[in-house]
Amino acid sequence: DIQMTQSPSSLSASVGDRVTITCRASQGISNYLAWFQQKPGKAPKSLIYAASSLQSGVPSKFSGSGSGTDFTLTISSLQPEDFATYYCQQYNSYPLTFGGGTRVEIK
Amino acid sequence: EVQLLESGGGLVQPGGSLRLSCAAGGFTFSSSAMAWFRQAPGKGLDWVSAISGNSAAIYYADSVKGRFTISRDNSKNTLYLQMNSLRAEDTAVYYCAKGVYYGGEASVFDIWGQGTMVTVSS
Repeated sequence: DIQMTQSPSSLSASVGDRVTITCRASQGISNYLAWFQQKPGKAPKSLIYAASSLQSGVPSKFSGSGSGTDFTLTISSLQPEDFATYYCQQYNSYPLTFGGGTRVEIK
Repeated sequence: EVQLLESGGGLVQPGGSLRLSCAAGGFTFSSSAMAWFRQAPGKGLDWVSAISGNSAAIYYADSVKGRFTISRDNSKNTLYLQMNSLRAEDTAVYYCAKGVYYGGEASVFDIWGQGTMVTVSS
């Protein structure tokens, strides 16, 4: 199975900050990586697929990069609605696996 | 608008069974892979099972293989998860999700339902 490791597990940031979350795969997954946002009590929302492609309706302040084993999610200017938990997930092969999540909190 | 509505969750004793349903609308159900995911209380996301549009390809996480069965009825636009021999560690919110294929072995599951809670406890 492909292990996905996210860092940090949590971070505190202020409105307007630029935030970067990293995700590492235990083996190469090309660009078959997705990012999800989850708010408390809600279903996950897909933000990015193919490592860097934005889902329809997702604001351009979100961006993704990477290929192979190392990936990043960047939020260019954090807004109050962005405080949530973010997960990476590989879909290169079954079983599908997620990173442990990064909780983004208000400083 | 894509809609996914899970139902069938509840409280069940260890060793018991439960069947979850996911009613889909707003897209061509028969052409879409579907999947079940789950999230234990306070924990991260886990994939459970996936099925192709024509049911020809089915996948399970090792943790549920032999106990859970995924199926679909394309005439009813409904996805199912039959869960047998339930354990305390199966306690979670279960989400169904719709797939879009962009390459790789699997689909990207881009739209998720609101979830249904399954509690396994005596």
